[in-house]
Amino acid sequence: GAVVSQHPSRVICKSGTSVKIECRSLDFQATTMFWYRQFPKQSLMLMATSNEGSKATYEQGVEKDKFLINHASLTLSTLTVTSAHPEDSSFYICSATPPVDGYGYTFGSGTRLTVV
Amino acid sequence: SQKIEQNSEALNIQEGKTATLTCNYTNYSPAYLQWYRQDPGRGPVFLLLIRENEKEKRKERLKVTFDTTLKQSLFHITASQPADSATYLCALMNNNAGNMLTFGGGTRLMVKP
Repeated sequence: GAVVSQHPSRVICKSGTSVKIECRSLDFQATTMFWYRQFPKQSLMLMATSNEGSKATYEQGVEKDKFLINHASLTLSTLTVTSAHPEDSSFYICSATPPVDGYGYTFGSGTRLTVV
Repeated sequence: SQKIEQNSEALNIQEGKTATLTCNYTNYSPAYLQWYRQDPGRGPVFLLLIRENEKEKRKERLKVTFDTTLKQSLFHITASQPADSATYLCALMNNNAGNMLTFGGGTRLMVKP
C-alpha cells in the first residue's frame, strides 16, 4: 500500500512551452501533497505544499505564477511549469503522507524535465 | 540559521561490514527524524522514522539512533551488501511545521563486493 504515482517520468520540452506533471495517491487520500525539486548532486528542496481544495503554499523564492499547482481532488495534485526555460530543467518529485502512524512520506518516482 | 548536515563525501565500505552514516542538525526542534534511501533517477524511499522521545529504532539490518542533546542521528546498516549502495537522506519534521519535511544533503554509500 501507500503508493504515489507520478507522470510523466521524463519530458523534454521547448523553451517557452508549458509542462504539466501529475501526482496521484493510488490507495490513500492525501489532503496535502508536497512538491520538491532536485538539482544534480543536491538534496531535495521543497517548492510548495499542495492543499486539496485551497491554494498552494509556496516556499520563499519559488514563483507561484511560474509553478502552478492544482490539488482538485484528494488523490491528485498537478504541477504545471509555465513558460519553461532551460534553467527550469531539473528533477521534480512529489510526495504525500499516508495516514499510517509511524510512517514517513511516500514519494513519486520523479519527473526529469529537460527544457531545450 | 537552520542546518541539516550529512557527510557529502561518499562512504566506501567492504561488503559485510557495518555502514554508519551521520546526520547533524542545528536550530531545529524536530518532532520526528526520518531516513530515506534514494537511487539515481528515482524518488526517495522511506526507511525509518524515529520520534524525539525515542533513542533507537531497528528494522531488519537497519538501526537508527537519535540524540536530541547532541542533535544527531546515526544510521547503521549491518552486514552491508552491494545492493545497499545508494544515497541516504535524513529528514526532519519540525514541531509546528505543518508536516513539512526538510532534507539533508545526503550521503552516498558504496558497498564493494
